[in-house]
Amino acid sequence: DAGVTQSPTHLIKTRGQQVTLRCSPKSGHDTVSWYQQALGQGPQFIFQYYEEEERQRGNFPDRFSGHQFPNYSSELNVNALLLGDSALYLCASSFNVPTYEQYFGPGTRLTVT
Amino acid sequence: TQLLEQSPQFLSIQEGENLTVYCNSSSVFSSLQWYRQEPGEGPVLLVTVVTGGEVKKLKRLTFQFGDARKDSSLHITAAQPGDTGLYLCAGVKDSNYQLIWGAGTKLIIKP
Repeated sequence: DAGVTQSPTHLIKTRGQQVTLRCSPKSGHDTVSWYQQALGQGPQFIFQYYEEEERQRGNFPDRFSGHQFPNYSSELNVNALLLGDSALYLCASSFNVPTYEQYFGPGTRLTVT
Repeated sequence: TQLLEQSPQFLSIQEGENLTVYCNSSSVFSSLQWYRQEPGEGPVLLVTVVTGGEVKKLKRLTFQFGDARKDSSLHITAAQPGDTGLYLCAGVKDSNYQLIWGAGTKLIIKP
């Protein structure tokens, strides 16, 4: 049973560029959440997708957008990259149940120079 | 505003010692989860507690959910170097689809 997969694992971009990160959820999961994590900090919630719609959003600007496909996989897009966007981006999948237990991928390490 | 406060933020102890990590809030959660994260990896779910007063054990780890479902604790008995990592708590609020995360406790167990 494949777990959550993310691609790419590492990425280096320059300021002002755009980036797309990809995530395939754990088999059977229909809900995907994206998080930004700075070194040594807890994850910061970006948004959650369910039934191909953004259902909930954290305190992130509109430069952060996403998409969920019919097969439940998801993309995170970040436009006009800033140095402060450098972080580990985590994708987590879950069942759409009240506990929302998250299964995380290994993350994408984004460095903006 | 940090809705879930974790303490301590950092803990470094010798192998064999016991420790407790706390996760506190003024808000009520319908459930609360504990995760452990190792460097370069995503967090891994350890346990979910749902009922006020609930206690769950995972080998040397004991998790407790407060009676009022506002706080939780993680106790590790006879810590081992393999317990090293970032411990995160996350709570689910009623009528909300997202988890509220604590900032984490960085735990180092020295051999």
